[in-house]
Amino acid sequence: DGGITQSPKYLFRKEGQNVTLSCEQNLNHDAMYWYRQDPGQGLRLIYYSQIVNDFQKGDIAEGYSVSREKKESFPLTVTSAQKNPTAFYLCASRHSGLAGSAYEQYFGPGTRLTVT
Amino acid sequence: QQPVQSPQAVILREGEDAVINCSSSKALYSVHWYRQKHGEAPVFLMILLKGGEQKGHDKISASFNEKKQQSSLYLTASQLSYSGTYFCGTDLFGNEKLTFGTGTRLTIIP
Repeated sequence: DGGITQSPKYLFRKEGQNVTLSCEQNLNHDAMYWYRQDPGQGLRLIYYSQIVNDFQKGDIAEGYSVSREKKESFPLTVTSAQKNPTAFYLCASRHSGLAGSAYEQYFGPGTRLTVT
Repeated sequence: QQPVQSPQAVILREGEDAVINCSSSKALYSVHWYRQKHGEAPVFLMILLKGGEQKGHDKISASFNEKKQQSSLYLTASQLSYSGTYFCGTDLFGNEKLTFGTGTRLTIIP
């Protein structure tokens, strides 16, 4: 089955610790995304990558870091510099196709991070 | 610039129709619609490209008014399974960098 996996589903950390969230896809998609979702809010873009070894900051990148060493993997590190890290984190991927077109984003099941 | 969705919430009886709007202050390249059930990942519904094209499948359809920079999602003869929060995501430049609205919570009651 093709899809996106995120692990773990729930994650608990103490304040001041860095934590890395995993995102893997076997859809052969070029583009991958990380979003943050807070209760009652929409999805806010943290980082995105359109090709291996390249990524761009989204709207709320401060306190986060990413890497894209492999096409299938796009891990997100929540650093201690992120002031309010407790949230639901969603990873997504998308096929890169023809210019002038648009393609759906496929979402993983999410990781709920709680920092106390 | 985050798109504005309206209404924020709506409650319908099964079989009734609903319209959800998504407005932008900037010219749009495309609008994406997703539905999310509580605690789950968003699920893709449809994409509309600039040009005013209307799309639909089953009893869910959408339109894109390029002059108004507004997209509307139409749900006809709503079913219980339509309950959830609907998000629109807007792409300004065709680079697939989406900005999502804050969502419209739709509740369908029997």
